[in-house]
Amino acid sequence: LAKTTQPISMDSYEGQEVNITCSHNNIATNDYITWYQQFPSQGPRFIIQGYKTKVTNEVASLFIPADRKSSTLSLPRVSLSDTAVYYCLVGAYNNDMRFGAGTRLTVKP
Amino acid sequence: AAGVIQSPRHLIKEKRETATLKCYPIPRHDTVYWYQQGPGQDPQFLISFYEKMQSDKGSIPDRFSAQQFSDYHSELNMSSLELGDSALYFCASSLESYEQYFGPGTRLTVT
Repeated sequence: LAKTTQPISMDSYEGQEVNITCSHNNIATNDYITWYQQFPSQGPRFIIQGYKTKVTNEVASLFIPADRKSSTLSLPRVSLSDTAVYYCLVGAYNNDMRFGAGTRLTVKP
Repeated sequence: AAGVIQSPRHLIKEKRETATLKCYPIPRHDTVYWYQQGPGQDPQFLISFYEKMQSDKGSIPDRFSAQQFSDYHSELNMSSLELGDSALYFCASSLESYEQYFGPGTRLTVT
């Protein structure tokens, strides 16, 4: 199981772009990178998934360099409601993925 | 759209009692996962089922067991409850290996 490392916490202000980087040095060839968001006392919610290069959806972008040893989740123009814990998971399929220590993002007014 | 349903939402038990948590996955989803999340901790994977067969096992204590029934709902059975079992228990479901959809969780308090 690929191990991931993320910053424990980050602070930002409303309207700013936030980039959270995840390190996964021993990612395997078949592994995907998936990000989840979790609010207090709620189940995690899928944000985005990618394999290489860049993926964008309506809420975030995911940047993956060519060596795939890291990935960056980009949240454009965050608001107070984006305050949550963000998890980076790596694995070839869901059973291969584990939640590690996420990044607690605090958005300030 | 239909979501994952968990029951009960809250449960209070005493030490050494048993508890059963239920999970109803999204229709047509073929995989169910169980997670435990203690206060201030990250979700810990317990066990998963694919098409009613156990597919993976994580840090599930021997006192816990789970199964998936013919209608795809799943139950997590917990015996000889300990204070440390107090946590939020999430069930998630997915279709094949696409994104997991999590339920609202069951908050178990052991006194």
